[in-house]
Amino acid sequence: LAKTTQPISMDSYEGQEVNITCSHNNIATNDYITWYQQFPSQGPRFIIQGYKTKVTNEVASLFIPADRKSSTLSLPRVSLSDTAVYYCLVVTPRGGFQKLVFGTGTRLLVSP
Amino acid sequence: DTGVSQDPRHKITKRGQNVTFRCDPISEHNRLYWYRQTLGQGPEFLTYFQNEAQLEKSRLLSDRFSAERPKGSFSTLEIQRTEQGDSAMYLCASGKGNTEAFFGQGTRLTVV
Repeated sequence: LAKTTQPISMDSYEGQEVNITCSHNNIATNDYITWYQQFPSQGPRFIIQGYKTKVTNEVASLFIPADRKSSTLSLPRVSLSDTAVYYCLVVTPRGGFQKLVFGTGTRLLVSP
Repeated sequence: DTGVSQDPRHKITKRGQNVTFRCDPISEHNRLYWYRQTLGQGPEFLTYFQNEAQLEKSRLLSDRFSAERPKGSFSTLEIQRTEQGDSAMYLCASGKGNTEAFFGQGTRLTVV
């Protein structure tokens, strides 16, 4: 399974754009990248998923360069409620079994 | 509420006692995961079910842990002879096909 590396923590202010980069040098051809968000005392919540180039939804954008060895989660105009831990996962689909391996994540603190 | 439901939300038990947690996945989700999470760490994979079949179990899981998913619906996680090191948040997640996994709120276990 491809291992991911992401910053332990990040600080930002309300209204700013936040970019969290994840490194996954050993990503395999069939792997895809998934990001989850977790608030204290809650289960992780799916944010976005992608295979290559750019994916955008109502919450975030995910940028994946051509070599796919890294990815960047972009949160536009963060608010205080975006303070959470963000996990980058590389998922290998294997006949329907997708083992989700979490690292320690990036703790994002948004201040007023 | 049509999300993943876990019961109980909190459990305090004495060392040596057995505990059982229940997870009700989202209807028609064939994939079901159990994770354990301690403070400051990401969720740690415990086991995975596809329908009623337990396809993978973490080597980190001792023989005191057992999980079932009869009839491919709800799942139970039992811990026998609990130890203080078992204190953690136990998370259940479900998914369908190749879609993202949805997590429950978790069961927080405290072993005293």
